[in-house]
Amino acid sequence: GIQVEQSPPDLILQEGANSTLRCNFSDSVNNLQWFHQNPWGQLINLFYIPSGTKQNGRLSATTVATERYSLLYISSSQTTDSGVYFCAVATNAGKSTFGDGTTLTVKP
Amino acid sequence: DTAVSQTPKYLVTQMGNDKSIKCEQNLGHDTMYWYKQDSKKFLKIMFSYNNKELIINETVPNRFSPKSPDKAHLNLHINSLELGDSAVYFCASSQRGGNEQFFGPGTRLTVL
Repeated sequence: GIQVEQSPPDLILQEGANSTLRCNFSDSVNNLQWFHQNPWGQLINLFYIPSGTKQNGRLSATTVATERYSLLYISSSQTTDSGVYFCAVATNAGKSTFGDGTTLTVKP
Repeated sequence: DTAVSQTPKYLVTQMGNDKSIKCEQNLGHDTMYWYKQDSKKFLKIMFSYNNKELIINETVPNRFSPKSPDKAHLNLHINSLELGDSAVYFCASSQRGGNEQFFGPGTRLTVL
């Protein structure tokens, strides 16, 4: 099956700092999503981004499908950004594979 | 106006019992999923249904039986619960497999 690797596994930032999270995947995919799991356990959709670049406020994401990676950028981080960020990829059969996540801690 | 809802939110039970978790989505999607998140936060797909038909069945013990009475509902029944079944179970839905998925709030199952 598809392998999904996220880096770094853990990240600690001061409020206001910027960061880049990476997701590498081992095969062609039809779908790539970024999720934020907040400290209450909710999985929040950030981006549906099989290819290209999208921006939503302080967050943006870029997927280069031909090179099998995606990046999530967080600018001017806030304490509410803390949590686990997951990348998930899916084939056209609909089977999703999640990465192990990046745990982000933003300190005030 | 919750998009994907699950009940119950918490479930505490004894080993050997049988329990069910219910999921409903009001997004009009035709595909629904069950995922398991273990204590290390790893998320893994268990099942997927498209229009009430099982299309993905990962290597899950047959004590787990999903049932989809219609395309808006996907329930998960677990027989003879074991300690290792303790986890958070998430339901999700999408329009056709492989498209953007939306997740429910999760059900935290604790087996004592």
